[in-house]
Amino acid sequence: EVQLVESGGGLVQPGGSLRLSCAASGFTFSSYEMNWVRQAPGKGLEWVSYISSSGSTIYYADSVKGRFTISRDNAKNSLYLQMNSLRAEDTAVYYCARDQSYTSSGYWDAFDIWGQGTMATVSS
Amino acid sequence: DIQMTQSPSSLSASVGDRVTITCRASQSMSSYLNWYQQKPGKAPELLIYAASSLKSGVPSRFSGSGSGTDFTLTISSLQPEDFATYYCQQSYTTPYSFGQGTKLEIK
Repeated sequence: EVQLVESGGGLVQPGGSLRLSCAASGFTFSSYEMNWVRQAPGKGLEWVSYISSSGSTIYYADSVKGRFTISRDNAKNSLYLQMNSLRAEDTAVYYCARDQSYTSSGYWDAFDIWGQGTMATVSS
Repeated sequence: DIQMTQSPSSLSASVGDRVTITCRASQSMSSYLNWYQQKPGKAPELLIYAASSLKSGVPSRFSGSGSGTDFTLTISSLQPEDFATYYCQQSYTTPYSFGQGTKLEIK
């Protein structure tokens, strides 16, 4: 079964750090680009970060640039998000999502597999 | 950055109704538009990619159309399991932005 399982969320004080993990199974992890997407309580979806299959290309949302670091270990089938200098507005469920490339009549990307999410709460 | 605007923000409908949700992009982006469904407490699920291509396994009552800046998601005959929140998302360029969501509720 194709699956993504996040872990590492919890309660942290403002200015603190958390490291989220996403364990992949049921597919060749090293062949896929990956993303982190978050959702604040009662709010919509916000894309956070992207990493290419090799890890050589990385992008961030402006809201987390300079504070968050995305990485991956293809040998361990795992994706990570190191979150530093956390703020109250970073409180959210964090999802990892597989980036599927569809190549019918072109080259299209979409997030086809999502994990169940892990909650990060930043509060004193 | 590309801004995505969905309308309406909420919608009440009955089982069997035909409903349409609109998504507008702040700049032209060909057909790089995806639609997701999210139920309370669950992760989003991909319904449609490339504006009009149905993901395998998604019921055919869902359809998408549009290109450039204006896109629509149509559900031809609402089923009880379709009451959820729907998001559009552009995959044309980073940052990959989402619409604010459309909550579809039972009338």
